[in-house]
Amino acid sequence: DAKTTQPPSMDCAEGRAANLPCNHSTISGNEYVYWYRQIHSQGPQYIIHGLKNNETNEMASLIITEDRKSSTLILPHATLRDTAVYYCIVRVAGAGGTSYGKLTFGQGTILTVHP
Amino acid sequence: EPEVTQTPSHQVTQMGQEVILRCVPISNHLYFYWYRQILGQKVEFLVSFYNNEISEKSEIFDDQFSVERPDGSNFTLKIRSTKLEDSAMYFCASSRGNEQYFGPGTRLTVT
Repeated sequence: DAKTTQPPSMDCAEGRAANLPCNHSTISGNEYVYWYRQIHSQGPQYIIHGLKNNETNEMASLIITEDRKSSTLILPHATLRDTAVYYCIVRVAGAGGTSYGKLTFGQGTILTVHP
Repeated sequence: EPEVTQTPSHQVTQMGQEVILRCVPISNHLYFYWYRQILGQKVEFLVSFYNNEISEKSEIFDDQFSVERPDGSNFTLKIRSTKLEDSAMYFCASSRGNEQYFGPGTRLTVT
């Protein structure tokens, strides 16, 4: 799986958008970008994933650059409960575009949302 | 909403003892995983399990570790002879493919 690079920490004001960047310059054509977060010492929580198109769900939006070498996770209106470590993970897809393999976690970005 | 559950939430054991960590994955999921996180460190993959056999394991998952799906609902991780360095949070996860759903973890403390 391709390596990812994320800033170690970021701050965001409550109610504002949090934009978390991730570089994955060696990503391959069959690798998806996944985002997870871990609040304190809880189990990691799935947020969103995508291949090359921008994706949105009830939690966040994922913007992937056209060359796929970087992406941005957007939390549109951050709350104090969004304070967590956010992980960007690149993961290969199998047949049909489905991924079954392990997740390889890096150090992630510690996002602190302040009042 | 269905969720992955793990028991116990905290296990204290003495070095050299055997421990079994239990997980109940989400009921229609077919892929099961164990990860661990030593305090202050990254989440690390241990093993994945599909169709009643191990599909992948990391170098951490040595002969002291084993996994089992003894019935249709439980998924267990056994550590045969615990070491001090096995102290960590152990997370179980399950998936139908793509997103993995994690349990709350078991904190294992080896004294």
